[in-house]
Amino acid sequence: DQQVKQNSPSLSVQEGRISILNCDYTNSMFDYFLWYKKYPAEGPTFLISISSIKDKNEDGRFTVFLNKSAKHLSLHIVPSQPGDSAVYFCAAIAGSNSGYALNFGKGTSLLVTP
Amino acid sequence: NAGVTQTPKFQVLKTGQSMTLQCAQDMNHNSMYWYRQDPGMGLRLIYYSASEGTTDKGEVPNGYNVSRLNKREFSLRLESAAPSQTSVYFCATAQGGPYGYTFGSGTRLTVV
Repeated sequence: DQQVKQNSPSLSVQEGRISILNCDYTNSMFDYFLWYKKYPAEGPTFLISISSIKDKNEDGRFTVFLNKSAKHLSLHIVPSQPGDSAVYFCAAIAGSNSGYALNFGKGTSLLVTP
Repeated sequence: NAGVTQTPKFQVLKTGQSMTLQCAQDMNHNSMYWYRQDPGMGLRLIYYSASEGTTDKGEVPNGYNVSRLNKREFSLRLESAAPSQTSVYFCATAQGGPYGYTFGSGTRLTVV
């Protein structure tokens, strides 16, 4: 049963505009959330994270918002650039009891067009 | 370069054959993980090792075994490969705690 859900398999955005990638989760024990970016034929790379005690974390062009009551988080990329075209995975951790294992969503493929 | 090294990068097996996927890290991380990625399925955890000497099952462990040989190395073994194990396999390491992982570049396995 998928505990982390990314319901949009793909997203296309024009260069310079905002990209918003969404993620929902079902497990209320999740206490840390991360976003990973993946290019073809490469491993995922860490992008940004947020603790469950916060509702926003910003790093340059990337901002993650967390709405715990709705069990929803989103990644905003502003402004979007062609190099941002990749698959983005939302992931969540339920703490030390699970060995800090990451639970991943299925990913959203972002295409930024010039 | 420091990081996570997976070998081989590509492999084709016949049904019933066995093989071991190797993962080595030079980041001095405590925890190591094996994931598989299938189209439309995201990454699913197969096994993990929270520290040297321990291993635990993840979401999809059936058909696999693992060995945490030492702090640096964590191998994944397929004893009798099946077409359903055709996938891209990623090894990852973490220092421990919710700080995210460092992933290897993957092993693309095809079982025919």
